[in-house]
Amino acid sequence: DAGVTQSPTHLIKTRGQHVTLRCSPISGHKSVSWYQQVLGQGPQFIFQYYEKEERGRGNFPDRFSARQFPNYSSELNVNALLLGDSALYLCASSLAEGTDTQYFGPGTRLTVL
Amino acid sequence: AQSVTQLDSQVPVFEEAPVELRCNYSSSVSVYLFWYVQYPNQGLQLLLKYLSGSTLVKGINGFEAEFNKSQTSFHLRKPSVHISDTAEYFCAVSLLYNFNKFYFGSGTKLNVKP
Repeated sequence: DAGVTQSPTHLIKTRGQHVTLRCSPISGHKSVSWYQQVLGQGPQFIFQYYEKEERGRGNFPDRFSARQFPNYSSELNVNALLLGDSALYLCASSLAEGTDTQYFGPGTRLTVL
Repeated sequence: AQSVTQLDSQVPVFEEAPVELRCNYSSSVSVYLFWYVQYPNQGLQLLLKYLSGSTLVKGINGFEAEFNKSQTSFHLRKPSVHISDTAEYFCAVSLLYNFNKFYFGSGTKLNVKP
C-alpha cells in the first residue's frame, strides 16, 4: 500500500505570494495533521483534521489555513508568504482521531525568497 | 504547557559502539511518548512508542527506550550501532486527551563513524 504522499516535493515562492500544499493520507486513514519543520528544529504542529473538521490548531497566524476533502486528502494554504515560512511542511495521517500512531509523508520543501 | 528537550544536538559514535540519545519532557498531564527517525530528505519514521505497561519499550532496528516517570525521561538506546543508523532522531509526546497533536524535541543528529 502507498504511504502518505505529498505534492509538490519542492516549491520556490517570493514574499507576499500564496501557496497550496497537498497531502493524500494512507488509504483508510481519516485523520490528517500538518507540521512545519524549520531547518535545525523539530516539527511544529499546525493543524489536525478529522472527518473534514478542524480538531486542533497550533500557534500559527491566520495566514495559515487548511481543509480536508471528502476523500480525506488535505490542503494547507499559506497566504502573504514571509521569509520565515521557509521550511519543510510535513503531513501525517492516522487511522482515526485518537489513535496513537501517525504516519508521516516525505514533506514539501518550501523556499520563500 | 508541554515541552520536550533533547539534550544533545549531535552525537558522534563509532560503529558497533553503544549509544544513548537523551529525551526529557515536561507536562502537567499524562502523555504518550514516541521516538521518530528522519533520514536525509525523508519524512519521519516511527521507531517506537510508549503508551502504557512495561516501561522498557523495544522498537525497530534494534532500538529500545525506557520510560522513567519520576525523571520525566524517555531515553533511546542501541547496544551496537551501524553506519546505516546515521540520521536525525526526534523525541515526541502527545497528550492523553489529544492524541493527534504531537510536541517534538529539536532533534539529535546521530553520526556513526566507521
